[in-house]
Amino acid sequence: SYVLTQPPSVSVAPGKTAGITCGGDNIGIKNVHWYRQEPGRAPVLVISSNSDRPLGIPERFSGSNSENTATLTISRVEAGDEADYYCQVWDSSSDHVVFGGGTKLTVL
Amino acid sequence: QVQLVESGGGVVQPGRSLRLSCAASGFTFSGYGMHWVRQAPGKGLEWVAVVWFDGSEKYYADSVKGRFTISRDNSKNTLYLQINNLRADDTAVYYCARSPSQLMVTLDSWGQGILVTVSS
Repeated sequence: SYVLTQPPSVSVAPGKTAGITCGGDNIGIKNVHWYRQEPGRAPVLVISSNSDRPLGIPERFSGSNSENTATLTISRVEAGDEADYYCQVWDSSSDHVVFGGGTKLTVL
Repeated sequence: QVQLVESGGGVVQPGRSLRLSCAASGFTFSGYGMHWVRQAPGKGLEWVAVVWFDGSEKYYADSVKGRFTISRDNSKNTLYLQINNLRADDTAVYYCARSPSQLMVTLDSWGQGILVTVSS
């Protein structure tokens, strides 16, 4: 089965740029989606199809995907960006949704 | 606006069955694939199952195949998850979520989640 690998945690100072990676075998040919989840809340889609921002998501959130790594980038990080972030793909070979293990973003 | 509201959770004894429901409103329910995703306490997201538009196609995570059944009633705008032979490791918050397309399987709206606790 397809596996997505995320770092368990990323720390960044306010105002700086955070990058959260999502590794997978040849992930560059897949559509990668990213979700943000605050404690006790449902996940929220923040990036779809590698780099598209849904309505209401700040321009500070961007995504990229190439070869074996997809990246969620958060620019000008704010304290309110602290949350867990998950990447997700659809594995067409198994007809399964696959989530990464999640990354906890800490704003120092 | 899009609303997904889960119900049917609670505390259940091991070996018993449970049916979760997800009531949808604010969009054309039959035009979307619908998923169940669960999250055990302190853990990450785990996809459970999907049922596509007319209910003819269903897919399950290997961990639940054979015990879980996903279904939908488009006339009632409702998604279901039947869980049989509940186990302690089924304890989780269960979310329903929608996908606009089989070509781009993104979960663009989620319910608030419902807690299922399996305990004797």
